[in-house]
Amino acid sequence: GPKVLQIPSHQIIDMGQMVTLNCDPVSNHLYFYWYKQILGQQMEFLVNFYNGKVMEKSKLFKDQFSVERPDGSYFTLKIQPTALEDSAVYFCASHTGGFAETLYFGSGTRLTVL
Amino acid sequence: QEKVQQSPESLIVPEGAMVSLNCSFSDSASQSIWWYQQHPGKGPKALISIFSNGNKKEGRLTVYLNRASLHVSLHIKDSQPSDSAVYLCAVSMASNYQLIWGSGTKLIIKP
Repeated sequence: GPKVLQIPSHQIIDMGQMVTLNCDPVSNHLYFYWYKQILGQQMEFLVNFYNGKVMEKSKLFKDQFSVERPDGSYFTLKIQPTALEDSAVYFCASHTGGFAETLYFGSGTRLTVL
Repeated sequence: QEKVQQSPESLIVPEGAMVSLNCSFSDSASQSIWWYQQHPGKGPKALISIFSNGNKKEGRLTVYLNRASLHVSLHIKDSQPSDSAVYLCAVSMASNYQLIWGSGTKLIIKP
């Protein structure tokens, strides 16, 4: 089936540093998402993105977070500066559009902030 | 704020058994209800969704939705060891493109 690729699979950084998580969504998909999952806890929505703009964001999407997809390349989540509580697995997802469309997920990037 | 609750938290059954997983949600204005499967170290994978009251069958999977009781269930027939995973219930809302997730049921199928 359609594949969403996430790079890297693991990232370890020191608190206060900047980190960029990369996502290569399914080629014909138009809507892109980032979700955060702390081990053993629920998947939580961060942000969605369409037509070059943030459509919705949750309270978890702090001012230190930003997303972009320059010129149809990777869809990125940047955290600057990072905090200890940012340690989690971040999942990228995409779909073609509409409320009833299947959301396809990548395998996640495990971020550890020391 | 929509809330999604799943039960049980974990379940161990022998291979070949029928598995029943439950999910309750709080907002009757919810749109589709999705079931996702998540294996360790992987992202969730969509299994089946339902919008209308009643049931929907796809292969070994059957999902039942009762909007009046705000409850949906997933049934897996003839369970296989490869079905061992965390099963996530997710509800889409009419007001936005977000999915609201339950905390999952960890299923283990013993050979």
